[in-house]
Amino acid sequence: GAGVSQSPSNKVTEKGKDVELRCDPISGHTALYWYRQRLGQGLEFLIYFQGNSAPDKSGLPSDRFSAERTGESVSTLTIQRTQQEDSAVYLCASSITPGQGEAFFGQGTRLTVV
Amino acid sequence: SQQGEEDPQALSIQEGENATMNCSYKTSINNLQWYRQNSGRGLVHLILIRSNEREKHSGRLRVTLDTSKKSSSLLITASRAADTASYFCATDAMDSSYKLIFGSGTRLLVRP
Repeated sequence: GAGVSQSPSNKVTEKGKDVELRCDPISGHTALYWYRQRLGQGLEFLIYFQGNSAPDKSGLPSDRFSAERTGESVSTLTIQRTQQEDSAVYLCASSITPGQGEAFFGQGTRLTVV
Repeated sequence: SQQGEEDPQALSIQEGENATMNCSYKTSINNLQWYRQNSGRGLVHLILIRSNEREKHSGRLRVTLDTSKKSSSLLITASRAADTASYFCATDAMDSSYKLIFGSGTRLLVRP
């Protein structure tokens, strides 16, 4: 595709339910990042995939959060047993070669837990 | 964890004035980047400066990097109302496989 695509654009879920967020990176980009952004705040690093290396999960806030990536394509971020504090915009980005150039961002998924 | 901290948190200027935003970081870096965000959604890359560079220009943007002080500044000259946005610095620490860590951002308001 032409850019990083995230779906859904908006998601409203009830507290306690599981949600799955999807990210389609730019084709050929080896690096993929997930960030969380609460209203008016900065980007909080969640997880980083780089090629076939083990993902860097150091930013995941709890074991309710997990993410997978199939090769160098689609990634899904799963939040189990959602809490109101999980409400935020979840941003995905990809880059062709980490450390060499810019990251391209999707438009994010706005998650609201009610 | 946040690698970068930006200063000021918010900035309000008149159209035509210059805007300066600062970023400080904690660890040795490979490069530093600046991004812009409108309306709390996707970020757009503005400029990248490598650790061996001290200054870089792109249009009305000027970025400086001082690795001895672990700090960078972004200058927007002759600001326009359309420059109103949040601006973030991002670093890829050399000891973390180049993962990108963002600062807390500066919210810029340019009054027409």
